[in-house]
Amino acid sequence: EPEVTQTPSHQVTQMGQEVILRCVPISNHLYFYWYRQILGQKVEFLVSFYNNEISEKSEIFDDQFSVERPDGSNFTLKIRSTKLEDSAMYFCASRGLWQKNSPLHFGNGTRLTVT
Amino acid sequence: QKEVEQNSGPLSVPEGAIASLNCTYSDRGSQSFFWYRQYSGKSPELIMSIYSNGDKEDGRFTAQLNKASQYVSLLIRDSQPSDSATYLCAVNVVNFGNEKLTFGTGTRLTIIP
Repeated sequence: EPEVTQTPSHQVTQMGQEVILRCVPISNHLYFYWYRQILGQKVEFLVSFYNNEISEKSEIFDDQFSVERPDGSNFTLKIRSTKLEDSAMYFCASRGLWQKNSPLHFGNGTRLTVT
Repeated sequence: QKEVEQNSGPLSVPEGAIASLNCTYSDRGSQSFFWYRQYSGKSPELIMSIYSNGDKEDGRFTAQLNKASQYVSLLIRDSQPSDSATYLCAVNVVNFGNEKLTFGTGTRLTIIP
């Protein structure tokens, strides 16, 4: 069964540094998402992306965050200047155009640790 | 703010018994509802989806939906120790044509051997 893949599985960075989290969505999917989950808290929506532009973003997704689909397969989340509170699991997810109201398929996540 | 509420637990159930997990949501316009299972440190894994009022069964799992009461539940029959996990209720919220899943805080379930 096709999978959403994320790299790296764990990223450690110092406060103020830039990080890029990478995702390869399922190949024929067209809607892409980033969620995050701070340890012990709920899974929170960050941003959705369709047709090469952001569809919706949450209050968490401020100017420090950006997303990009640089080619036909990758979908990236960049945090420009990381803060301690950015430490969390970041999940990429996707779904297909024909699957309105369908569930999201999640990648295995990237654990980001900001020190 | 469109919310999804769950009892955070922990919920302890003896092996072989029925585990019952509940969820309420605030957006009356939501049309699709999902239960995900999440093991510690892992990503959410879809176990059930439900779109119509009533019950939907899949193996040991039954999802129940009551849109009038804005209530979704998940029953796990013949609970196994491997069912010990956090169960996330997720509701598809549509905002100006854009869809996203909104998650509850999750219910931590422990199956006692």
